[in-house]
Amino acid sequence: DVVMTQTPLSSPVTLGQPASISCRSNQSLVHSDGNTHLSWLQQRPGQPPRLLIYKASNRFSGVPDRFSGSGAGTDFTLKISRVEAEDVGIYYCMQTTQFPRTFGQGTKLEIK
Amino acid sequence: EVQLLESGGGLVQPGGSLRLSCAASGFTFSSYAMTWVRQTPGKGLEWVSSISGGGGGTFYADSVKGRFTISRDSSKNTLYLQMNSLRAEDTAVYYCAKGFLLFDFWGQGTLVTVSS
Repeated sequence: DVVMTQTPLSSPVTLGQPASISCRSNQSLVHSDGNTHLSWLQQRPGQPPRLLIYKASNRFSGVPDRFSGSGAGTDFTLKISRVEAEDVGIYYCMQTTQFPRTFGQGTKLEIK
Repeated sequence: EVQLLESGGGLVQPGGSLRLSCAASGFTFSSYAMTWVRQTPGKGLEWVSSISGGGGGTFYADSVKGRFTISRDSSKNTLYLQMNSLRAEDTAVYYCAKGFLLFDFWGQGTLVTVSS
């Protein structure tokens, strides 16, 4: 199975400041179709997960442009340019290049 | 507007069975693969199963293979998860999600508790 490792597991951030979450896979996430199927999900307290980023760097419809994804191969990053109060929650990376689909452990974003 | 509404969760004894449903609306159900993902406090998010748009392709996590069956009824726009031989470790919130390579919409989830 592809193991997804996120760092940090907890990230206290000041409002208006940037935040960054790293996700590493133990195998390349390049699919046979040429795409890299790495997604980022946000889960606010008491809510289901919500898709933010797909194929490593594509922002999903309706997602604020302060969220951006980057990376290739096995190393990926989610960046929030200026954290807002509504960004509090847990962020997960997920790969759908291989079966079984696997998730990172989650990174808890909280406000200082 | 895409909506996914799970139902069928509840308390069941070890070894028992349960069938989850996910009613879909707001998109052409038969055109999209669908997926079940579960979440436990201890293990986080875990992919359970996916099914192709036509229903001909099904995929399972090893932890549920042989016990769970995913299916769909396009006439009812509904996704199902038949869960047999349930174990304590199957206790989780079960989400249905639209998609196969990306899960772009998620339901609110239904809680399954396996306990005597």
